[in-house]
Amino acid sequence: GAVVSQHPSWVICKSGTSVKIECRSLDFQATTMFWYRQFPKQSLMLMATSNEGSKATYEQGVEKDKFLINHASLTLSTLTVTSAHPEDSSFYICSAQAATSDTQYFGPGTRLTVL
Amino acid sequence: RKEVEQDPGPFNVPEGATVAFNCTYSNSASQSFFWYRQDCRKEPKLLMSVYSSGNEDGRFTAQLNRASQYISLLIRDSKLSDSATYLCVVRGWGNDMRFGAGTRLTVKP
Repeated sequence: GAVVSQHPSWVICKSGTSVKIECRSLDFQATTMFWYRQFPKQSLMLMATSNEGSKATYEQGVEKDKFLINHASLTLSTLTVTSAHPEDSSFYICSAQAATSDTQYFGPGTRLTVL
Repeated sequence: RKEVEQDPGPFNVPEGATVAFNCTYSNSASQSFFWYRQDCRKEPKLLMSVYSSGNEDGRFTAQLNRASQYISLLIRDSKLSDSATYLCVVRGWGNDMRFGAGTRLTVKP
C-alpha cells in the first residue's frame, strides 16, 4: 500500500513555542491531505482538510491562526502549532489521498507534549 | 448526537471466540463506510471497506444496513493479535471521514 510518513514522531516543547509537523506521501501524489487530532481514549477528530495549492478548510472549532497548514506540493503538507500550550498536547495524525483513489493512507502520527 | 456511535467496550474474549461490534451513523447521506483498526499509540490502519451486500475477508465479516444506518463487524476465531481498538468510519460526499470513538477488544489466551 501507499506510504505516508510524519516527522517528528514525537516532540516535547515549552509552552509558547511553535511546533511544525511534516506529513509526506512517499510513493504517490497526494492531492488532498487531512490533519486529525486524537486525545487519550478518544477517537480521531478531523481538524482540517487541505488540497494542494489551496487554503485549508478547517473544521468548526479549530482555530486556523493557531494551527497553520501548508500544502505546497503534492507530497508534503505541514501543520504548525503556533504558541503551543499544554492543552494542545495530543497525538496528531495526517492522512493523504490521491486524486485517483478514495482511500486515505495514514501517517504514523506525531505525539506532541507541551510542558 | 455524535455522527458515528460505537459501543466503547472493552470486549474481553478468549481466543477462538466470535465477537461482533456495532456502529450507527447519523448522516443518512453518508456514502462510504469502513472499519479501521488502531493499535495503542499507532495510526489507524484500514481493515476493510463495508458494502451494502456485505463483505467477508477471512475471519472478518462486515455488514451495512442503510435503512437502519447501522454497520457491523464480526470477527470469528479470535486471535491474540486481534487485540486492538476497532474504529467505525463513515464518509459523506466529500473526502472527510468521521470516526467513531472506537471499540476496544482484548483477546485473552
